[in-house]
Amino acid sequence: QKEVEQDPGPLSVPEGAIVSLNCTYSNSAFQYFMWYRQYSRKGPELLMYTYSSGNKEDGRFTAQVDKSSKYISLFIRDSQPSDSATYLCAMTGVSSGSARQLTFGSGTQLTVLP
Amino acid sequence: NAGVTQTPKFQVLKTGQSMTLQCAQDMNHEYMSWYRQDPGMGLRLIHYSVGAGITDQGEVPNGYNVSRSTTEDFPLRLLSAAPSQTSVYFCASGKGLGDTQYFGPGTRLTVL
Repeated sequence: QKEVEQDPGPLSVPEGAIVSLNCTYSNSAFQYFMWYRQYSRKGPELLMYTYSSGNKEDGRFTAQVDKSSKYISLFIRDSQPSDSATYLCAMTGVSSGSARQLTFGSGTQLTVLP
Repeated sequence: NAGVTQTPKFQVLKTGQSMTLQCAQDMNHEYMSWYRQDPGMGLRLIHYSVGAGITDQGEVPNGYNVSRSTTEDFPLRLLSAAPSQTSVYFCASGKGLGDTQYFGPGTRLTVL
C-alpha cells in the first residue's frame, strides 16, 4: 500500500463548476501538506501549503486537512479552463525517515471544459 | 532570479552509457533534491542534500549518484543507464524542512 493515495482521474468538469480533489495517507507523522499544480510538460508549482489540520483559503482555492481521518482536500471554485492541469498532493513530517522528504500522490488530471 | 534550472531538457542514451543531469539554483537554498516522475507513480525521491557536502538517499537511489560541492549545484549521475531509468527527472530546491519546494522544468530521458 502506498503511503499517499490519490485518484488519478481523469476528471472533466464544465467551466464554473466546483472541483474537489482528494488524497488519503497512512503515515501519522505527516504534518505539512501541500498541493502542487503541474501543467503538461512543465515542473510542478506550489499551489497551497498548510500545516497540521484546518482550512486555508487563497482566492478560488481552499485546502482542507483532516488529520484524524488522514484525509486532505483541495477545492477549486468557479473553475476555469486555465485550471486544466495535473494536481499533486504532497506531504512531509518531522520524524526521521520522513524528515525533509516530500511524499507525493500520483496526481489527478483535471480538464475544465469551456 | 532564474530559479531552478536543469540541463539538458531532452536526452536519449543507449543501455550502459553514463551521463550527468545538471541542476542549479540561485535562491541560496540549502535543501536540494532529485525526483523521477513516471506515469501512475507520481514523483519519487532519488537523492537529496541538506547542504554543501551532505547528501542522502531517497526512495529510489539505485543506479544514481549525487554530490554537492556548492550550495548552487546538485548534479545527478547515471552510472550505467538502463531502460528502467527512462523517465522525467525533476530537480527541486527549498529552504529546508517543511518549506516550499521549487521545481525545475525537468529533463526527459529515454534509455534505449
